[in-house]
Amino acid sequence: QVQLQESGPGLVKPSETLSLSCTVSVDSIRTYSWAWIRQPPGKALEWIGYIYSSGSTNYSPSLKSRVTIEVDTSKNLLSLKLTSVTPADTAVYYCARLGRFGEIFRRVPQYYYYLDVWGKGTTVIVSS
Amino acid sequence: DIQMTQSPSSLSAFVGDSVTITCRASQNINNYLNWYQQKPGNAPKLLIYAASSLQSGVPSRFSGGGSGTDFTLTISSLQPEDFATYSCEQSFSIPRTFGQGTNLEIK
Repeated sequence: QVQLQESGPGLVKPSETLSLSCTVSVDSIRTYSWAWIRQPPGKALEWIGYIYSSGSTNYSPSLKSRVTIEVDTSKNLLSLKLTSVTPADTAVYYCARLGRFGEIFRRVPQYYYYLDVWGKGTTVIVSS
Repeated sequence: DIQMTQSPSSLSAFVGDSVTITCRASQNINNYLNWYQQKPGNAPKLLIYAASSLQSGVPSRFSGGGSGTDFTLTISSLQPEDFATYSCEQSFSIPRTFGQGTNLEIK
């Protein structure tokens, strides 16, 4: 059973870089695609980005200039870096596995993506 | 970006009731719609993907429907453990976007 566990500093100063890790309990992290999601206090879930099994990435346009998602295959570790943080980046940060379901519709393969395994989340507060 | 709007924002019901939560997309997303359940202090849990496909292990009292722009999540015969916040997510395009959540409370 796949398990994910986020870790990182609970407190980050404004303008600094937030660095989070997600330990993944799978044989090879490259087998799957992964996501980072965050949830500010009392607010909706917010998509940060994906890293696909190919190594390519997609990021939220609102965060793209500040965010990097990477995997370390030697350690089975997923990472998130967010630069120049502000108090608006205060949130619970989740890593999640990106699941995929495929089917053929009118002879065309269609893929449905969803977040099927989540870490427990880690709280990050941005404050001086 | 595709905007996802849920209604109602909150809802109260009795154990045993049936409830329906609605999610509306700002443009056609076919059936690229997921539903998640989240309890306080916990991570979200996938319930439904592709609008109506039940995730493995999720009780059959949960069902999803709809396509295009309008979607529903129905919970029949509510159980005490079903009281939580429910969120929809569109997986049609990048960036992914979530609804604001519907808080289901026990009456």
